[in-house]
Order: sequence, then structure tokens, then C-alpha cells
Amino acid sequence: DVQLVQSGGGLVQPGRSLRLSCTGSGFRFNNFAVNWFRQAPGKGLEWVGFIRSKTFGEATQYAASVKGRFTISRDDSKNIAYLQMNSLKTEDTAVYYCAREGPSIFGVVISGDYWGQGALVTVSS
Amino acid sequence: EIVLTQSPGTLSLFSGERATLSCRASQSVSNNFLAWYQQKPGQAPRLLIYGASSRATGIPDRFSGSGSGTDFTLTISRLEPEDFAVYYCQQYGGSPYTFGQGTKLEIK
Repeated sequence: DVQLVQSGGGLVQPGRSLRLSCTGSGFRFNNFAVNWFRQAPGKGLEWVGFIRSKTFGEATQYAASVKGRFTISRDDSKNIAYLQMNSLKTEDTAVYYCAREGPSIFGVVISGDYWGQGALVTVSS
Repeated sequence: EIVLTQSPGTLSLFSGERATLSCRASQSVSNNFLAWYQQKPGQAPRLLIYGASSRATGIPDRFSGSGSGTDFTLTISRLEPEDFAVYYCQQYGGSPYTFGQGTKLEIK
């Protein structure tokens, strides 16, 4: 079965750092991009960023709200993607999700077919 | 950045009725890479539709997606009790990926 299992959430003070992990199983992890999303309490979904597969140079893109503070990386030998969050702000408080994005098949990309269970990050003093 | 506007904000219907949800983009969505998600409280989003009109694996055929360019629609042909939830559209044709603000589908 395809699974994405997340770890690493918790309570952190403003200005500090936290790293989230997203471990994939049941599929060829190295063939897929990984997106990170977040959802603040009672709010809608927000894209945080993605990392492409090695085939596409492990290219990354980020939302403007986190660019320069958050870094996405991956270790395909361990089937893990990471979200390193630095200089955290209170407005970063949210449930963070990872989700896979497949390669193009006949010109169509399936994005977000499997998601992690979510990790709550609370930024507060 | 592509802004997605969903309408209505809330839709109140009876089980068995047909639901039509709209998602309008501020500019054309590249390759019609438009997805629809269902989210229930305390759960991760569930992919329903990708590429504007392709049903994801395991999704009942009462869910269908249509549209292209800037106007997209999610239709639920006959509502079941488990369909009452929040629905989001998302474009993934270009960075930054963006979501609509959501449509809450509630039981009348």
C-alpha cells in the first residue's frame, strides 16, 4: 500500500527552527515530486513548496511567504523528504502535510493522490 | 500568481440532490492542471479529480469534473450523506500552486 508518514511536529518558540519528515513506502519514491502544504487553524489550504525528483534536478520552488526561511530536501536512499523551517513566526502555526506528485503520463500529471497524516506545528512563546 | 475563486461559499442541499461547484481562475491554468479535493474535519484532503476531468483512483463515478482554461466545475450527481464536506480546487500548472478558498457543502 502507498503511504506517506510524517513526523517532527510540535511546539516551538518564534525565531527557532523545526524539521518535518515525510517517509514514503509502497511506491518508487525517487520517481515522484513531493509537495508540502499547510493549513492554519480554521483556514483553507496553502501550498508551501515542492521538490522535484532527481530526474528533474531535485528542483525546488517555494511560496513567497516562506521563501528564504524554509528549505525542502530529499534523501531517496531513505525514501524521505524534509521540510526545514527556520526563523519561525507565529503565523506559521498550522498543520503541515506532505503529498506526492507523479510524473507526467500521456501529458497528465497526477498531483496529491496520497497525503501524509499531517503534523501540527505551533509557534508560540 | 493565479487566483482561484470558488463559488458558492456554502451550498445547502438534501441527500440525493445534484451539487454543482464552480472554480474560476484569474488566468488560464496551464495544461488544465486543475485538481479538486474533498476535506472532512481532522482529515487530510482527498483527491477527487486531477487534470480537470480525470477521476482519481477509487473515487465514485457520481463525482465528475469539467472545464478548461479559466472555468472549472465539480459535479456530484446524487449526494450521499458522506459527501457533505469542504471542497477545494487547486491549480498545479505553474508555481506558485494555488487553492481556492473552499466551498462548504452542508446538509439542508
